[in-house]
Amino acid sequence: DTGVSQNPRHKITKRGQNVTFRCDPISEHNRLYWYRQTLGQGPEFLTYFQNEAQLEKSRLLSDRFSAERPKGSFSTLEIQRTEQGDSAMYLCASSLVTRAGETQYFGPGTRLLVL
Amino acid sequence: AQKITQTQPGMFVQEKEAVTLDCTYDTSDQSYGLFWYKQPSSGEMIFLIYQGSYDEQNATEGRYSLNFQKARKSANLVISASQLGDSAMYFCAMRELLRGAGSYQLTFGKGTKLSVIP
Repeated sequence: DTGVSQNPRHKITKRGQNVTFRCDPISEHNRLYWYRQTLGQGPEFLTYFQNEAQLEKSRLLSDRFSAERPKGSFSTLEIQRTEQGDSAMYLCASSLVTRAGETQYFGPGTRLLVL
Repeated sequence: AQKITQTQPGMFVQEKEAVTLDCTYDTSDQSYGLFWYKQPSSGEMIFLIYQGSYDEQNATEGRYSLNFQKARKSANLVISASQLGDSAMYFCAMRELLRGAGSYQLTFGKGTKLSVIP
């Protein structure tokens, strides 16, 4: 399978714990995005990487959220001191700019439940 | 600020019939792009179709077509010959430029749940 992959697919944690999610983009894609989707809503943009550079992070929800893409390949999203309101689906997408334009391809997401 | 409106929370369609899912958008940009994604219960967002604001013809991809009416700011998705596997959430999204970042984010509507009836 050469699509975007995310791990874990599901995560249950207790309030106050830290969690980390991983995203592996399509191999030739240099752009990577993180989104959050709450129940009954469309995905909401969080942050964006081009190669290893995080070019947009102002939309991260709070300073408890951070993301990295150290070698320009896979990325991690960490939430520290989780709260019940963090329960959501976290989606990763990757893209490649071509003459035809740019389309973001999404992974299957990580469902987080904070108890 | 951009905004995507999907006014149909849920839609039903008989198998083999065509269905139209509505999407209206609001933007002051001259150049923009509109996308439709399908999200089955498994959660993955599947890209269906794209329409650029300067494209003169409506986009088509197999059974999917986009009815783009620029003056009305609408970008409705038409699915022809519905199949049971089309039952899913459908999201309309607009490309919004990330100023200074050289890329864009997608702004999504709230989605429409399509149910295909045998």
